Amino acid sequence: GENVEQHPSTLSVQEGDSAVIKCTYSDSASNYFPWYKQELGKRPQLIIDIRSNVGEKKDQRIAVTLNKTAKHFSLHITETQPEDSAVYFCAATTPRSSNTGKLIFGQGTTLQVKP
Amino acid sequence: EAGVTQFPSHSVIEKGQTVTLRCDPISGHDNLYWYRRVMGKEIKFLLHFVKESKQDESGMPNNRFLAERTGGTYSTLKVQPAELEDSGVYFCASAQQGLRGETQYFGPGTRLLVL
Repeated sequence: GENVEQHPSTLSVQEGDSAVIKCTYSDSASNYFPWYKQELGKRPQLIIDIRSNVGEKKDQRIAVTLNKTAKHFSLHITETQPEDSAVYFCAATTPRSSNTGKLIFGQGTTLQVKP
Repeated sequence: EAGVTQFPSHSVIEKGQTVTLRCDPISGHDNLYWYRRVMGKEIKFLLHFVKESKQDESGMPNNRFLAERTGGTYSTLKVQPAELEDSGVYFCASAQQGLRGETQYFGPGTRLLVL
């Protein structure tokens, strides 16, 4: 079945450094890849997403890259700040004919940014 | 715009009891998803409603779980009888079909502990 693998499970960086989280997916038909950030005790919040017709998307300090051939996508956070500390989830979905679909999540990465 | 809301925020019950979780999606969102995160693991899909119809219930663990969305507005997820392994955080997400696909907005979750 559909599967998403996410690495690393934990990541600790110094404030100001960059952080990279990587995910691979199994279903070559997947065409939508969101990233969610979940702070302690709060709801998962969408921070960026990418669709299969583009290779890269950037929003201020956050960027996502997609390699469809290799079936992997990555989240890049530059100039990290303590408030970036959270659990990050990647996900993939294969929209059906109605163009909606369940999200298959990775296992999550706990990012700690040390001041 | 009000976000997705869930009730209760926490529930502690004994094995064998019944619990009903409620989700109120964003107004106007036809798509409603239930997910569950068991301690330290990935967020897993349970089922998907489009309006009042079950579009995909392939993630429901067993027949102790019953989801409804009468009238196509709020949804309930009932667990009867609850077992220890049902403990986890139950998330609801809603989405409205847009021309570029959908973005799923998550609720804060219900933390269920079965003792």
